[in-house]
Amino acid sequence: AQTVTQSQPEMSVQEAETVTLSCTYDTSENNYYLFWYKQPPSRQMILVIRQEAYKQQNATENRFSVNFQKAAKSFSLKISDSQLGDTAMYFCAFILTGANSKLTFGKGITLSVRP
Amino acid sequence: ETGVTQTPRHLVMGMTNKKSLKCEQHLGHNAMYWYKQSAKKPLELMFVYNFKEQTENNSVPSRFSPECPNSSHLFLHLHTLQPEDSALYLCASSQGQNAVGTDTQYFGPGTRLTVL
Repeated sequence: AQTVTQSQPEMSVQEAETVTLSCTYDTSENNYYLFWYKQPPSRQMILVIRQEAYKQQNATENRFSVNFQKAAKSFSLKISDSQLGDTAMYFCAFILTGANSKLTFGKGITLSVRP
Repeated sequence: ETGVTQTPRHLVMGMTNKKSLKCEQHLGHNAMYWYKQSAKKPLELMFVYNFKEQTENNSVPSRFSPECPNSSHLFLHLHTLQPEDSALYLCASSQGQNAVGTDTQYFGPGTRLTVL
């Protein structure tokens, strides 16, 4: 079975600074996808970034980038130039390729951006 | 704001009530999902529908009954729930097609359910 671990329950960052959220996962498979989702206090779960395991290049989306270390099974999210609107819960998620695969989520981390 | 809508946003019900949660997606997707989100726990997948067919029932108690009349609508019928069923219920959708598992899922805002 696949597992996703987010060991930091909470983090805080000053506005305009950079913060890194950690995620590790466990699988014996080689082909999978990894995601970071954001859930602001309004509860809408929003996709932040997605990484295909077969790609060595780290995914980036504007201020959001990942550090994907396949051998270490690590998938951290870096948020640059943090903004107040980045305050939310962030969930790391994993899914194997192929039909009928299930998306497995970590417990999430609460990020607070301080003005 | 979103291509996936859920109603109601809040629901309070007694243990003997029967209620239904509704989800609608406007993204042209073919797969839809129900998740349960409880405090301090990871999201739990409950049901998956792909092209209106149920492809996953993650050992969910029978007091939760899903219905998918078409690819755009998904319901969760609730009856004789327990207080521990209080949670945020999230609906999601994805392209579906042949490899449901690799599709990016898009979530609705959720229904906050309280069972008294």
